[in-house]
Amino acid sequence: DQQVKQNSPSLSVQEGRISILNCDYTNSMFDYFLWYKKYPAEGPTFLISISSIKDKNEDGRFTVFLNKSAKHLSLHIVPSQPGDSAVYFCAASGGGGADGLTFGKGTHLIIQP
Amino acid sequence: KAGVTQTPRYLIKTRGQQVTLSCSPISGHRSVSWYQQTPGQGLQFLFEYFSETQRNKGNFPGRFSGRQFSNSRSEMNVSTLELGDSALYLCASSIQTSSYEQYFGPGTRLTVT
Repeated sequence: DQQVKQNSPSLSVQEGRISILNCDYTNSMFDYFLWYKKYPAEGPTFLISISSIKDKNEDGRFTVFLNKSAKHLSLHIVPSQPGDSAVYFCAASGGGGADGLTFGKGTHLIIQP
Repeated sequence: KAGVTQTPRYLIKTRGQQVTLSCSPISGHRSVSWYQQTPGQGLQFLFEYFSETQRNKGNFPGRFSGRQFSNSRSEMNVSTLELGDSALYLCASSIQTSSYEQYFGPGTRLTVT
């Protein structure tokens, strides 16, 4: 049973526009959420995180929104740049740190020039 | 600071053999987690070591084991290799437990023939 779901395997966005990546989770024990970015042949790179006590966290061009009632989070990238083309993973943690991070299967973001 | 390093980067083994992978965390990081990434299952948590003790374990068979040394370096061992063990094995380190931001190494690509 997938506890963290990224339903869009890929997303294509024009350079300069907003990219919105979505993630849903089922485990109500999750209380900390993270986004990672991965280029081919490299390990995932931490991007941004949010605690369940917040509904928004911003860092430069990246903003993560959390809707606890809907068990949904999203990552907004504004404006999108060619270097943003990568696979983005949503991850969640909770239950006192048990079971490490639970990852979604990723969304491949392609920024079109 | 130097990032997380993993050796070797690529490995080819035969079914039934065993393999040991190595990970050196970022200096000062005491938590090391291991993940398996496959196209079908995505990133799955294997286990976490903190101060030389296994703190958490994912849902993997006992053939997968690990250890951590006093300098926080960690090794992962897989015995009696199966074809399905072919994957990218990622190591991640963090200052605290695996609940918080983790910094990943480039991974070891294991191919079992």
